[in-house]
Amino acid sequence: DQQVKQNSPSLSVQEGRISILNCDYTNSMFDYFLWYKKYPAEGPTFLISISSIKDKNEDGRFTVFLNKSAKHLSLHIVPSQPGDSAVYFCAARGEPGGTSYGKLTFGQGTILTVHP
Amino acid sequence: DTAVSQTPKYLVTQMGNDKSIKCEQNLGHDTMYWYKQDSKKFLKIMFSYNNKELIINETVPNRFSPKSPDKAHLNLHINSLELGDSAVYFCASSQLTSGGRETQYFGPGTRLLVL
Repeated sequence: DQQVKQNSPSLSVQEGRISILNCDYTNSMFDYFLWYKKYPAEGPTFLISISSIKDKNEDGRFTVFLNKSAKHLSLHIVPSQPGDSAVYFCAARGEPGGTSYGKLTFGQGTILTVHP
Repeated sequence: DTAVSQTPKYLVTQMGNDKSIKCEQNLGHDTMYWYKQDSKKFLKIMFSYNNKELIINETVPNRFSPKSPDKAHLNLHINSLELGDSAVYFCASSQLTSGGRETQYFGPGTRLLVL
């Protein structure tokens, strides 16, 4: 039962353009969402997060949008750079007291390739 | 000064052997985790410890036994290794803030191959 889904296994974007990575979830008890970036042979690196009480969080070139009613979040990278090429995972954490609290449920990742 | 470190980085072993993976964090976090990334690239939690106490134990065979000698270390011991245990194992740590935010920081992973 996959509670967090990234339906696009890969995305290819030209340098300077916007990259939009999408993530859907099914568990309405999730209250905190994160995006991680992973290079080959390394561990995931935290990128940006958003609490369920917000609908947008911005950090430099990275913006995460949350649509609770649609159970959908997205990561926008503007402008995209070749160094952004990596696997991007979205993850969700359940609210306190729930069975999903204290652990992250990950999507299966989207491979982003930014071409020069 | 790596924040979350794991040893070894690579581990190749025969079926039936017993092996351990070590994890250390120097972030001062209270909570540590083990995740498994399988061949389909899904990252799934296995265990979580808070201040040396087990708080999350997902459906993991009891051949896997975590041990936390102190809150900066969480080791994973695997008995009677099977082919299906081949995967990348990631250690992580986190600290819950007063605002309820909790970012998990991951180690580089241990690539286990069981032959």
